[in-house]
Amino acid sequence: AQKVTQAQTEISVVEKEDVTLDCVYETRDTTYYLFWYKQPPSGELVFLIRRNSFDEQNEISGRYSWNFQKSTSSFNFTITASQVVDSAVYFCALSEARGSGGSNYKLTFGKGTLLTVNP
Amino acid sequence: EAGVTQFPSHSVIEKGQTVTLRCDPISGHDNLYWYRRVMGKEIKFLLHFVKESKQDESGMPNNRFLAERTGGTYSTLKVQPAELEDSGVYFCASSPLRHGGADTEAFFGQGTRLTVV
Repeated sequence: AQKVTQAQTEISVVEKEDVTLDCVYETRDTTYYLFWYKQPPSGELVFLIRRNSFDEQNEISGRYSWNFQKSTSSFNFTITASQVVDSAVYFCALSEARGSGGSNYKLTFGKGTLLTVNP
Repeated sequence: EAGVTQFPSHSVIEKGQTVTLRCDPISGHDNLYWYRRVMGKEIKFLLHFVKESKQDESGMPNNRFLAERTGGTYSTLKVQPAELEDSGVYFCASSPLRHGGADTEAFFGQGTRLTVV
């Protein structure tokens, strides 16, 4: 069975601080996908990144960066120079990557981390 | 282009009543998924449609839940009769069919917050 653990329930930082959100996963599949989603107060889940299990390169997108380490089954997310608008719940997720659903098939989510960025 | 839309955004019903949630996916997206987040727990997969066919309904909690997607466009999720433990946020997501091994991410709606009292 697949499992995603986000050990940090809540994190509070002051604007401009860097913050790392942790994600540890478990799966028996050799092919899988990892995701991060952001849920702002409006409620929808906003896609941030998808990574497949064969690509361990770290990725940077503006102030966001992701560190994928297969050896420790972790996919951590760092926000550099945080801003108030980054305040949201962040979810890490894992998919089985099968059939016509492709990489989006049957996502397994962590419980989420509530990030509060104070001015 | 409109995103995934869900109706209603909130619903408060009494135990034993029936509620129907609706999801309009992004036009052209054949994959449609339902997920649910019960308070304090993870977002959990309920089922997956490809067009009008149910591909996987392994996450449906019990037979009080019925999902349909007639015509392969919008989908409904009916809970009948509702119980207290059905309270939570119900999310819908859609994505295009995968072609040649490549696909795009799933787009989620804002969710329907269901409260059963």
